[in-house]
Amino acid sequence: DSGVTQTPKHLITATGQRVTLRCSPRSGDLSVYWYQQSLDQGLQFLIQYYNGEERAKGNILERFSAQQFPDLHSELNLSSLELGDSALYFCASSSSGATGELFFGEGSRLTVL
Amino acid sequence: SQQGEEDPQALSIQEGENATMNCSYKTSINNLQWYRQNSGRGLVHLILIRSNEREKHSGRLRVTLDTSKKSSSLLITASRAADTASYFCATDETNNNDMRFGAGTRLTVKP
Repeated sequence: DSGVTQTPKHLITATGQRVTLRCSPRSGDLSVYWYQQSLDQGLQFLIQYYNGEERAKGNILERFSAQQFPDLHSELNLSSLELGDSALYFCASSSSGATGELFFGEGSRLTVL
Repeated sequence: SQQGEEDPQALSIQEGENATMNCSYKTSINNLQWYRQNSGRGLVHLILIRSNEREKHSGRLRVTLDTSKKSSSLLITASRAADTASYFCATDETNNNDMRFGAGTRLTVKP
């Protein structure tokens, strides 16, 4: 158990809809990272937050947004969903802004029909 | 975009054999990490090697880093069926705050 909690574990929705994925980092970790993994692919970095502030941005679509709240949990919002958004979405946390070991949640599997 | 590129994409060996996976990257890094992912599960950190280190060991794992060639290798010795998983390298780039992962090597260890 990494200590990182992601909900929901599975989500099935239709094209055009909007969903919110939630991540609770390990206790004390200030950094949260979001990654997208399409079927049998590598991880695409989406965005990183550190102590509530956006720290780095990767290949995140304009239809996607994220935030980190004062209690350090984070949410990834995906809107106007397309079939190609079907993927595993991972959250990872680390203790500092400088990148050391990342602790991954078990992911949220999104299926867009 | 992805930073690291692992090769081979897939590797199949017999139990007891050694498995070597390679990772190449493009920019200057602070450190390079290797992670393991069982099918559909979250990634688990295996080992971190800093840019000023050349080799590191952890149990049956041996990692090397050649910053002049921008490459790293992960060696798993005396492999077991339980080592079957995908292995990813991840780089902490000097000028970025993010961690970029490669596409991974899928290792199958046959009993």
